[in-house]
Amino acid sequence: DIVLTQSPGTLSLSPGERATLSCRASQSVSSRYLAWYQQKPGQAPRLLIYGASRRATGIPDRFSGSGSGTDFTLTFRLEPEDFAVYYCQQYGNSPGLSFGGGTKVEIK
Amino acid sequence: EVQLVQSGAEVRKPGESLKISCKGSGYSFNNHWIAWVRQMSGKGLEWMGIIYPDDSDARYSPSFRGQVTISADKSISTAFLQWSSLKASDTAMYYCASETASGYWYFDLWGRGTLVTVSS
Repeated sequence: DIVLTQSPGTLSLSPGERATLSCRASQSVSSRYLAWYQQKPGQAPRLLIYGASRRATGIPDRFSGSGSGTDFTLTFRLEPEDFAVYYCQQYGNSPGLSFGGGTKVEIK
Repeated sequence: EVQLVQSGAEVRKPGESLKISCKGSGYSFNNHWIAWVRQMSGKGLEWMGIIYPDDSDARYSPSFRGQVTISADKSISTAFLQWSSLKASDTAMYYCASETASGYWYFDLWGRGTLVTVSS
């Protein structure tokens, strides 16, 4: 199974700063099948990015995804509503899919 | 409206059985994969399994195979997650999630979650 390791565990930033979140896979992720989700307290996750770099419907263009192989990145300039936990997920490799452990972006 | 509506919160005792549901509407539910995802309190997301309602093709995470059963009833556009014998460690929020356009296993539609509490 592919293990996804997200870093850092917590990121303390101020609004307007740039957030850079990392997701590293234990083996190459097929065809860049990597997604990112945002989860706010008490809410279900929301899809941000799929295919490593494609924004989901309705996602602001301040969110961008990049990477391939085993290293992927989510970057965005922080707005007040962006403080949340972010998860990466791979969906390209058998036996199924897996999530990373999450990065919490908190207000500094 | 495109949505997944999950059944309400449940409280059970260890050893009891439980079946929770996820009903889709506003899109072709039966022709898109539905996943179940566990989130224990304060923890991350864990994929449990996935099903294609049209033919009930179900796949399981190795971590959850044999622990739960995933099923679907396409006549009512509903997926289910069930336990035959709950443990206290099954206490968690359970989300269903669907891909609605691609056929790939990333999820652009989520239910609000069902909180399951298992306590004696």
